[in-house]
Amino acid sequence: GENVEQHPSTLSVQEGDSAVIKCTYSDSASNYFPWYKQELGKGPQLIIDIRSNVGEKKDQRIAVTLNKTAKHFSLHITETQPEDSAVYFCAASIHYKLSFGAGTTVTVRA
Amino acid sequence: DTEVTQTPKHLVMGMTNKKSLKCEQHMGHRAMYWYKQKAKKPPELMFVYSYEKLSINESVPSRFSPECPNSSLLNLHLHALQPEDSALYLCASSKGQGDSYNSPLHFGNGTRLTVT
Repeated sequence: GENVEQHPSTLSVQEGDSAVIKCTYSDSASNYFPWYKQELGKGPQLIIDIRSNVGEKKDQRIAVTLNKTAKHFSLHITETQPEDSAVYFCAASIHYKLSFGAGTTVTVRA
Repeated sequence: DTEVTQTPKHLVMGMTNKKSLKCEQHMGHRAMYWYKQKAKKPPELMFVYSYEKLSINESVPSRFSPECPNSSLLNLHLHALQPEDSALYLCASSKGQGDSYNSPLHFGNGTRLTVT
């Protein structure tokens, strides 16, 4: 099955700086790559996604890049704010099943 | 606020109890999912319902029994659970199963279950 690796496991950044989280996947048939943000006491919330026919997607301060050849994708958060502090999960999808990375705990220092 | 509503938010039950978790969505989605999430881990898929029929069971023990009464509701019946079953149980929905390419998963905020 699909195996998704996510790095780093923890990330501490100064408010206003950028944060980058990287994921790799194993199955070249994966065609959909969502990113979820999970705040304490809440369920995962979709923040951005990218499909295999697109190399980059941006939504305000958040961007995702996909390199199909290398089988890796990354999340970039610019101008980080305290409310960006959360656990972020990447995932890769084939059909119905999402394979999640292990998660990155992001802490934004004020 | 999430469009997938789960009740209760918290549940404490003994190993001999029977309880149910409930999930509701009104987005017209036809696929609904149960996930289990242990602390500091990613969600793990348990069951998938597509058009109100169970289509995927990820080898979940029979002490967990899912039910989909209609396209908007999903239940998870619990019986004779073990302390290691304590976790956050998440419900999710999407437009269709096998269609994550076109229809992202939307998660509820979960039920925090503690088995004593």
